[in-house]
Amino acid sequence: DIVMTQTPLSLSVTPGQPASISCRSSQSLLHSDGKTYLYWYLQKPGQSPQLLIYEVSSRFSGVPDRFSGSGSGTDFTLKISRVEAEDVGVYYCMQALHLPRTFGQGTKVEIK
Amino acid sequence: QVQLVQSGAEVKKPGASVKVSCKASGYTFTGYFMHWVRQAPTQGLEWMGRINPNGGGTTYAQKFQGRVTMTSDTSISTAYMELRGLRFDDTAVYYCARDVIDIVAASLPQYALDMWGQGTLVTVSP
Repeated sequence: DIVMTQTPLSLSVTPGQPASISCRSSQSLLHSDGKTYLYWYLQKPGQSPQLLIYEVSSRFSGVPDRFSGSGSGTDFTLKISRVEAEDVGVYYCMQALHLPRTFGQGTKVEIK
Repeated sequence: QVQLVQSGAEVKKPGASVKVSCKASGYTFTGYFMHWVRQAPTQGLEWMGRINPNGGGTTYAQKFQGRVTMTSDTSISTAYMELRGLRFDDTAVYYCARDVIDIVAASLPQYALDMWGQGTLVTVSP
């Protein structure tokens, strides 16, 4: 199984400041079709997870442009350019290259 | 609008079975895989398996092989996840989520788990 490792596991951010979360996979997530199957989700308190970023860097419908994803191969980053109060929750990366789908441990983001 | 509505909370005794339903609306049910993901209290997300409602093909995580069965009823756009031989550590919120990977052409956006149900809490208690 592909192991996904996130750092840090928690983050306390002042509103308006940037935040960055890293995710590393145990093997490359580049498919022979040329796409890289790395995804980011946010689980707000008391809610179901919601898709933020698909295929490393594409924002899903309705996701604010302060969220951006980057990376390649095995190393990926989610950045929030200016954190807002509504961004609190747990962020997960997930690989969809192979089954079983596997998630990172989650990064809890809170506001200072 | 697209919605996945799951059945209500369950309390079960160890050794019992639970069957959770997930009713889809607002999209073509057979055009997406349905995945099941669970989350134990204060823990992360754990993938359990998926079903293709178009034909019923399933793939399960090895951890759940032999204990889980995923089915679907296309006439009512509903997916089901049954877990047998419940243990205390099966206490969790169970989510369904739709997915297009391995269904749509690679040239199209590969949305993975782009819509989730509200979750069903299953509590295993003596």
